[in-house]
Amino acid sequence: EPEVTQTPSHQVTQMGQEVILRCVPISNHLYFYWYRQILGQKVEFLVSFYNNEISEKSEIFDDQFSVERPDGSNFTLKIRSTKLEDSAMYFCASSGAVQGPQHFGDGTRLSIL
Amino acid sequence: QKEVEQNSGPLSVPEGAIASLNCTYSDRGSQSFFWYRQYSGKSPELIMFIYSNGDKEDGRFTAQLNKASQYVSLLIRDSQPSDSATYLCAVTSNFGNEKLTFGTGTRLTIIP
Repeated sequence: EPEVTQTPSHQVTQMGQEVILRCVPISNHLYFYWYRQILGQKVEFLVSFYNNEISEKSEIFDDQFSVERPDGSNFTLKIRSTKLEDSAMYFCASSGAVQGPQHFGDGTRLSIL
Repeated sequence: QKEVEQNSGPLSVPEGAIASLNCTYSDRGSQSFFWYRQYSGKSPELIMFIYSNGDKEDGRFTAQLNKASQYVSLLIRDSQPSDSATYLCAVTSNFGNEKLTFGTGTRLTIIP
């Protein structure tokens, strides 16, 4: 069964450093998302992406964050200057239709020291 | 602030019984409703989705939606120990907005 893949599974970074989290969505999907989940808290929406542009972003998704689809398969989330509070699980999701079921990758655990 | 509310649990159910999980949402314009299962330390796994009022069945799972009451539920029949997990309710709103708003989840424990 097709699945969303994310790399790396765990990223440890010093505060202030840049990180790039990578995702390969399901191949025929057109809608892409990033969510995060701080330990013990609920899953929170960060950004949605369609037709090579951001369709919506949350208040969390400030100027330190950016997304890119550099080629036909990858979808990346960049955090420019990480903070301690960026430590969380980051999930990529994709969907084949607007408001359709979103399928999640296994996540990247980001630890900021 | 659009909210999705769930009883955090834990909800304990004997093996073989029916587990009933509930969710309410505040945005009356919500269009799509999803149930995800999340094992500890893992990612959300899609279990069911429902768009219209009424019931939708898939194997041991039944999703129920009542838009007038802004209520969605998940029934798990013949509960198994492997069903022990946190169940997340997620909702999308209207106007082509496809972001998921999640509840905090209900932790379900199936007792052998």
